[in-house]
Amino acid sequence: NAGVTQTPKFQVLKTGQSMTLQCAQDMNHNSMYWYRQDPGMGLRLIYYSASEGTTDKGEVPNGYNVSRLNKREFSLRLESAAPSQTSVYFCASSEAVTGGFYGYTFGSGTRLTVV
Amino acid sequence: RKEVEQDPGPFNVPEGATVAFNCTYSNSASQSFFWYRQDCRKEPKLLMSVYSSGNEDGRFTAQLNRASQYISLLIRDSKLSDSATYLCVVNDRNNNDMRFGAGTRLTVKP
Repeated sequence: NAGVTQTPKFQVLKTGQSMTLQCAQDMNHNSMYWYRQDPGMGLRLIYYSASEGTTDKGEVPNGYNVSRLNKREFSLRLESAAPSQTSVYFCASSEAVTGGFYGYTFGSGTRLTVV
Repeated sequence: RKEVEQDPGPFNVPEGATVAFNCTYSNSASQSFFWYRQDCRKEPKLLMSVYSSGNEDGRFTAQLNRASQYISLLIRDSKLSDSATYLCVVNDRNNNDMRFGAGTRLTVKP
């Protein structure tokens, strides 16, 4: 039972480079999310997908794009990386956007450094 | 004012101690409440949901006070393995997402 799988686990980018973070869940969840976590800031929502075929901006969407490829997969793209995007990125999924009974299940995170 | 506020700590307690964390939220329309645990360099994991009537899971007790807009987590008989950061999470129904507090760090010492 893999839950939520994120790749890659670590990445170093140069300013201006692009990359895509991949996320897949095998729990048949409807909703998927991308968060970033910075020291002292807590997790902040970048984008979410309430259901297959829909995506919406979260609290900090600037500099990112997402694609809900199918029910299982939700990718996050940085088109032109900036040092301010150095962070730990978590993908999560849930039965429903309210968190449902069981809240969110998180992937193990991607540690991204932009130099 | 942050939507979800927690005392960042750190809380340093001896084994066997009882420790309590509080969390306040600003959106009175919030519907769902959770406590998550996050170990160093790991992902957050659900510790427990918080129900209106309060709920208990072993050594952990969660309470919700809607009138004052805060939730609490009580840990009794602390273990070394309880050392972690505890995140308060509140559903912001109007924005269809959940908002996380910055976390309270707990260290339980022998």
